[in-house]
Amino acid sequence: QQPVQSPQAVILREGEDAVINCSSSKALYSVHWYRQKHGEAPVFLMILLKGGEQKGHEKISASFNEKKQQSSLYLTASQLSYSGTYFCGTSAPLVFGKGTRLSVIA
Amino acid sequence: NAGVTQTPKFQVLKTGQSMTLQCAQDMNHEYMSWYRQDPGMGLRLIHYSVGAGITDQGEVPNGYNVSRSTTEDFPLRLLSAAPSQTSVYFCASSRGYRGISIETQYFGPGTRLLVL
Repeated sequence: QQPVQSPQAVILREGEDAVINCSSSKALYSVHWYRQKHGEAPVFLMILLKGGEQKGHEKISASFNEKKQQSSLYLTASQLSYSGTYFCGTSAPLVFGKGTRLSVIA
Repeated sequence: NAGVTQTPKFQVLKTGQSMTLQCAQDMNHEYMSWYRQDPGMGLRLIHYSVGAGITDQGEVPNGYNVSRSTTEDFPLRLLSAAPSQTSVYFCASSRGYRGISIETQYFGPGTRLLVL
């Protein structure tokens, strides 16, 4: 079953923060986060393997609550380059949500 | 390393035709998978493999076959193409542990398929 992502779309001004949520109805072994630019393949952001673990990548971080079967992606001080569609993936096997379209405007 | 390669990049088929989408990786990854991407539907898992000789169905397997005779290759076969199979197809690979993708999943560049 596909994980459920929210919101479906969000528009930010440069420098604003955003949170993208991902939830699953089944037990999770790992959560993956990817970003896809239009016409390109998805690109890996991070993977979380432990319950309650939080990871960071520049100004993008994520948390994983294994008990609640939820993960959140945090984007702080957004930049124009953050625009794209963000997907969470849950395993096993690795299935993805429908994506969250993020647009950052100047 | 070439990473994950897919051929062809574009393909037009007529309804009822069959074809094979090729996928290869040179990273010695155990875990490989095929996804299709349609507008508003995200990435949907078609088939996946946790190692040579082992394959399993994903979310949308109907109309597709796979095999994994080597670690490197994971071809996807469309048995009798239908317009509903018009999509962008992505192959991906990663290291695995007990059937779970445990590290970065690398995606190929995709194959755009149009079925008339």
